[in-house]
Amino acid sequence: DAGVIQSPRHEVTEMGQEVTLRCKPISGHDYLFWYRQTMMRGLELLIYFNNNVPIDDSGMPEDRFSAKMPNASFSTLKIQPSEPRDSAVYFCASSFGRIPNYGYTFGSGTRLTVV
Amino acid sequence: AQTVTQSQPEMSVQEAETVTLSCTYDTSESNYYLFWYKQPPSRQMILVIRQEAYKQQNATENRFSVNFQKAAKSFSLKISDSQLGDTAMYFCAFMRSGSQGNLIFGKGTKLSVKP
Repeated sequence: DAGVIQSPRHEVTEMGQEVTLRCKPISGHDYLFWYRQTMMRGLELLIYFNNNVPIDDSGMPEDRFSAKMPNASFSTLKIQPSEPRDSAVYFCASSFGRIPNYGYTFGSGTRLTVV
Repeated sequence: AQTVTQSQPEMSVQEAETVTLSCTYDTSESNYYLFWYKQPPSRQMILVIRQEAYKQQNATENRFSVNFQKAAKSFSLKISDSQLGDTAMYFCAFMRSGSQGNLIFGKGTKLSVKP
């Protein structure tokens, strides 16, 4: 398996533009998580899905952020409009079961820079 | 709410020596899971070791072992025979065992292994 695949690896955009981050989880995994990593706040959970259904989106910072999982093999995190304070590394992770024996499998992240 | 604290922002160790990274957590739960993740410069989050709170025996994975002190809410990671490839950020993480919740991470410790 190729692991959790995120794209793009780097994204630079101007303030006010729409940004879409993409994630392909490991086949067969039924949980998908979106995390954001910043120097100030560390790793924070934004939202997670179980069987393509959003379960907890309490970490989504504001209405500018939205996430979808139209099928078991694809998820997107969208920011519209983007702001400089959204600059961070965004990770997608997946697992089989909420408490898998081997933890979550993370993607390599997308480094977002909003200028 | 659960919190995870890593009090050592940075540490360094000589190659082949042993180093211990500290982690404390706060929870009112009795059943939970604890993890250590490694994040090398490639940004990939890699699970190092996992501990179930109901198990008294400390987990070990090759050169990595933990000292789990449930009463003190302490979960330190010991790396023996340190290797240059161990240079990375190390994150301690907590997860409830109930039906809700997710991984809660500490702010991380940057470990440098020096030749």
